[in-house]
Amino acid sequence: AAGVIQSPRHLIKEKRETATLKCYPIPRHDTVYWYQQGPGQDPQFLISFYEKMQSDKGSIPDRFSAQQFSDYHSELNMSSLELGDSALYFCASSSKTSYNEQFFGPGTRLTVL
Amino acid sequence: AQSVTQLDSHVSVSEGTPVLLRCNYSSSYSPSLFWYVQHPNKGLQLLLKYTSAATLVKGINGFEAEFKKSETSFHLTKPSAHMSDAAEYFCVVRTGQNFVFGPGTRLSVLP
Repeated sequence: AAGVIQSPRHLIKEKRETATLKCYPIPRHDTVYWYQQGPGQDPQFLISFYEKMQSDKGSIPDRFSAQQFSDYHSELNMSSLELGDSALYFCASSSKTSYNEQFFGPGTRLTVL
Repeated sequence: AQSVTQLDSHVSVSEGTPVLLRCNYSSSYSPSLFWYVQHPNKGLQLLLKYTSAATLVKGINGFEAEFKKSETSFHLTKPSAHMSDAAEYFCVVRTGQNFVFGPGTRLSVLP
C-alpha cells in the first residue's frame, strides 16, 4: 500500500539559509500534519492542514511557513535557519475514514551547519 | 489541555521476559490513545490505538494496551520481549484535531 512520502530524506544547510521540505500524503488523505523531533526528544507538533486550509498550529516558529496544495501535498518552508533547527521533520496524513489515525512518513533529517 | 506522561524514560528487560511501558494522560474529553514505536533512524510506526471501543486493545508484534479511565492510564504490555523490540515507544493522545506525544520510553532488551 502507498505510504506517506517525504523529500528529501536528508538535507544539509548552513545557518541563515532556507530549506523546503515536501510531503506527499497517502492518496485520498485530506489532512497533513508536520512534526519536529529534535535529538533525543519526542515529536513536537508544528502545524496541520485540512482540505488545503490551516487547521491547527503548534510550536511552529515565525521563520517557518507551510501550505497544502490542491493535490494535497504539503511543503514546509524554513527561512533564516538556525543550528537549533537541526532535527528530524515528520509529516503525517489522515483522512475522514481514518480520522483517528495518523500515518507517518519516514521523515526528513535536516542538519544545519 | 491534554498531556501525556510516560513515567519511565528508559526500561530494560531480558529477552523472553514481560514488558510494561507506562502511560498516563490528562484530557478534558474522551480521548483517543495510541502507541507508536520508533526504531533507530526510522519513522514512527503505529502499534495500536484506543478509540472508545474495547478497553483492551491488541496491536502488532504481540503488544497490547488496556485503557483504564479511572486511572487515566494506557499502559503497553507484551508477555515476552524480543530483541527486535528494542526501540523508542511513544504514547500519544488525541483530542479533537490535536495529537500530543509523550516524552517517550526507550526499551532495551538484554540477551
